[in-house]
Amino acid sequence: DAGVTQSPTHLIKTRGQQVTLRCSPKSGHDTVSWYQQALGQGPQFIFQYYEEEERQRGNFPDRFSGHQFPNYSSELNVNALLLGDSALYLCASSATQGPGEQFFGPGTRLTVL
Amino acid sequence: DAKTTQPTSMDCAEGRAANLPCNHSTISGNEYVYWYRQIHSQGPQYIIHGLKNNETNEMASLIITEDRKSSTLILPHATLRDTAVYYCIVRAYNDYKLSFGAGTTVTVRA
Repeated sequence: DAGVTQSPTHLIKTRGQQVTLRCSPKSGHDTVSWYQQALGQGPQFIFQYYEEEERQRGNFPDRFSGHQFPNYSSELNVNALLLGDSALYLCASSATQGPGEQFFGPGTRLTVL
Repeated sequence: DAKTTQPTSMDCAEGRAANLPCNHSTISGNEYVYWYRQIHSQGPQYIIHGLKNNETNEMASLIITEDRKSSTLILPHATLRDTAVYYCIVRAYNDYKLSFGAGTTVTVRA
């Protein structure tokens, strides 16, 4: 049973560019959350998708957007990249029914030059 | 606005129990206590959660005080592979996000 998978593993972009990160949830999970983790800090919640809709959003600008597909996989898009967007981007999946524990993927390391 | 307070770091000896404290004095009645850990360069891993009763699973035990203002995560027999950052998180059941603080860096020494 595959857990949460993310692609790519690493990514290097330059300021002003756009990036798309991908996530496949754990089997049986229908909810996907995205987090940003800067170096030396805890993960910060970006948003959560359920039934292809953004259900809750953290304190991130509109440059951060997402999408969820009918198969529950998800994409995170970041436009007009800034140096400060360099971070580990984590995807977590969960099942709507149950205690709500979230299972995290290994993350995508984004470096903005 | 952090809802939990944890020590910055702690050491423990391999094979001994590790007791990780967490203060959550402003916890509400509908909020659960969750524990996650993050081993270097990996995604966070769920450990355990509880509301008011003590909980135990194959990884750890969670002891919540009667007034629910603090809790302790217990790793019964720490191994070198338990070296990680441990996060204590307070979360309402209908709140979809996990709010991570700085956590406690636990180093298990041989």
